Amino acid sequence: AQSVTQPDIHITVSEGASLELRCNYSYGATPYLFWYVQSPGQGLQLLLKYFSGDTLVQGIKGFEAEFKRSQSSFNLRKPSVHWSDAAEYFCVCSNDYKLSFGAGTTVTVRA
Amino acid sequence: NAGVTQTPKFQVLKTGQSMTLQCAQDMNHEYMSWYRQDPGMGLRLIHYSVGAGITDQGEVPNGYNVSRSTTEDFPLRLLSAAPSQTSVYFCASRKRLAGGQETQYFGPGTRLLVL
Repeated sequence: AQSVTQPDIHITVSEGASLELRCNYSYGATPYLFWYVQSPGQGLQLLLKYFSGDTLVQGIKGFEAEFKRSQSSFNLRKPSVHWSDAAEYFCVCSNDYKLSFGAGTTVTVRA
Repeated sequence: NAGVTQTPKFQVLKTGQSMTLQCAQDMNHEYMSWYRQDPGMGLRLIHYSVGAGITDQGEVPNGYNVSRSTTEDFPLRLLSAAPSQTSVYFCASRKRLAGGQETQYFGPGTRLLVL
């Protein structure tokens, strides 16, 4: 069965600093991987996705993620965070029929 | 396209009451699914459907029923609500594109409080 692990429950970062959110997946075949963001009280917004090809994926809002098969990881990065990046971030793995979500990482941005 | 719509946006139930959460999509997507979101647990799959007339259980199906009589609609039924079903519920639809890529859409969510 597939599963997704986000080791960090909560991360605090200063505005302007870099951010990296970790994600590890367990899946037998080539995974389809996604990062979603959810602002408080809001729905889910897709940041980026990986299906195949180039392992460095660019997304919206200045985010990027790198797929590393050898480490079963799909970490999300942003070079310089903005206060509006405070939210909960979910790493997601997809198979034919369902999505498996990580537990989420809450990002707090301090001034 | 309206995308994925969910009604109601918010609902309060008493223990033992029944209700149906509605989900509809107008994109002719084959796959639809229901998730519940609870703090610290991400979204967990309740039930899913790969087409009209075909449904299956996800990770946490107990206490919920679904049906898929049309491509567009995928209602979620709570037959006898329990406080443990207090959660935010998201409906989603997916379409596989040529080459294996897929497009996913989430509804805005339904907040359910069971007293």
